[in-house]
Amino acid sequence: DTAVSQTPKYLVTQMGNDKSIKCEQNLGHDTMYWYKQDSKKFLKIMFSYNNKELIINETVPNRFSPKSPDKAHLNLHINSLELGDSAVYFCASSSGGREEQFFGPGTRLTVL
Amino acid sequence: GNSVTQMEGPVTLSEEAFLTINCTYTATGYPSLFWYVQYPGEGLQLLLKATKADDKGSNKGFEATYRKETTSFHLEKGSVQVSDSAVYFCALSGGSSASKIIFGSGTRLSIRP
Repeated sequence: DTAVSQTPKYLVTQMGNDKSIKCEQNLGHDTMYWYKQDSKKFLKIMFSYNNKELIINETVPNRFSPKSPDKAHLNLHINSLELGDSAVYFCASSSGGREEQFFGPGTRLTVL
Repeated sequence: GNSVTQMEGPVTLSEEAFLTINCTYTATGYPSLFWYVQYPGEGLQLLLKATKADDKGSNKGFEATYRKETTSFHLEKGSVQVSDSAVYFCALSGGSSASKIIFGSGTRLSIRP
C-alpha cells in the first residue's frame, strides 16, 4: 500500500487555467505538507496542516489554496496558472513537526 | 532563524570511492538532524537521522554524526555504488522551527561505473 499518494503524476496545462492536485496519506499522521521543487532541486515549503488546521503558510501567492477535508487528505488548488508555477509539487506527512516526513512521488506541473 | 548549509554539487565520483557531503547548521535549542535522499523521478525518503549531540545515524552504508561543537552533520560512505546516484538533502527540525523541517539546497551525486 502506498503511504503517501498524489494525483495526478503529470499535469500539463495552459497559462490562466485552474488546476488541483490531490494528496492522501494512510499512515495515520496528523500533519501534512506541500512543497515546491524547482528545476535546480531546491525544495521550498508552501503549506502545512495539522489536524485540518493551517499552521504554516509561507510567502506563497494567494492563487494557491490548500484544502484539508480530513486528516488524511491535503489538496492543492491553483488559480490562474502562470509559467513560473511549473515545478514538481510534493506532498508529505509526519506524526509531528519534529518527526520524519514521508513524501509522495510528486506531481510534475508544466504550464505552457 | 534556523538554517542548513550543504556543499554544492554536483559531486561526481568513481564506484568504490569514499564519499563525504558536508552539512552545517544554525539552530537555537536542540534540533534533530536528517539526511534525505531523492532518487531520479521519486520523492524524498529518509536516509538517516540523529536526535541529539554525538548520535550517529546510519543506513545502507551511509553514516553521519551529530556534532554540536562544530554544528555539523556530514554524510559519509566508505565505498559508493552506481545505485547511490541521487540528490541528497541535509535537514533539521526543532528548535525555533518546531513545526517544520528546514531543508538544505541538495547535493547531486553521480557515480561513474
